Amino acid sequence: DQQVKQNSPSLSVQEGRISILNCDYTNSMFDYFLWYKKYPAEGPTFLISISSIKDKNEDGRFTVFLNKSAKHLSLHIVPSQPGDSAVYFCAASVIQGAQKLVFGQGTRLTINP
Amino acid sequence: NAGVTQTPKFRVLKTGQSMTLLCAQDMNHEYMYWYRQDPGMGLRLIHYSVGEGTTAKGEVPDGYNVSRLKKQNFLLGLESAAPSQTSVYFCAVGGGLYIQYFGAGTRLSVL
Repeated sequence: DQQVKQNSPSLSVQEGRISILNCDYTNSMFDYFLWYKKYPAEGPTFLISISSIKDKNEDGRFTVFLNKSAKHLSLHIVPSQPGDSAVYFCAASVIQGAQKLVFGQGTRLTINP
Repeated sequence: NAGVTQTPKFRVLKTGQSMTLLCAQDMNHEYMYWYRQDPGMGLRLIHYSVGEGTTAKGEVPDGYNVSRLKKQNFLLGLESAAPSQTSVYFCAVGGGLYIQYFGAGTRLSVL
């Protein structure tokens, strides 16, 4: 039972354009969502997060949007840069308890010059 | 990955052998986690700890044991390795706001 799903295994975007990565979840109890970025042979690094009481959070070139009714979140990267090429994981958590994260399968983003 | 150190970085085992993966943190966080990453599966939680002396099962705990004798260390043990445990293992620590900080990973192959 995959509670967090990233249905696109890969995405290719031209440098300077917008990259949009999508994530869907099924558990309505999730109330905090995060995006992680992972380079080969390294651990995931935190990128941006959003609480369920918000529908948008922005940090520089990165914006996360949350649509609770659709149980959908997306990460927008504008403008895309070659260094953004990596695997992106979305993750979800429930506020109470041990703050366990449930991860999606990941999307490999490739930025082409 | 600053502050979370995993050893070893690589290991090859034969079926039935045992080993221990060590995670050490200098971030003074209470929560520690062990995940495994497999192709097309994302990261899945094996075991976690909410403080020194505590451990709990995650999503895929079978075949693994853990210990948290000191706040800064979280050990993951494989008593009898199986080929299905070939994976990349990540340790993470968390101290609030649900953000977890990950180590660089241990790549394990079981032949």
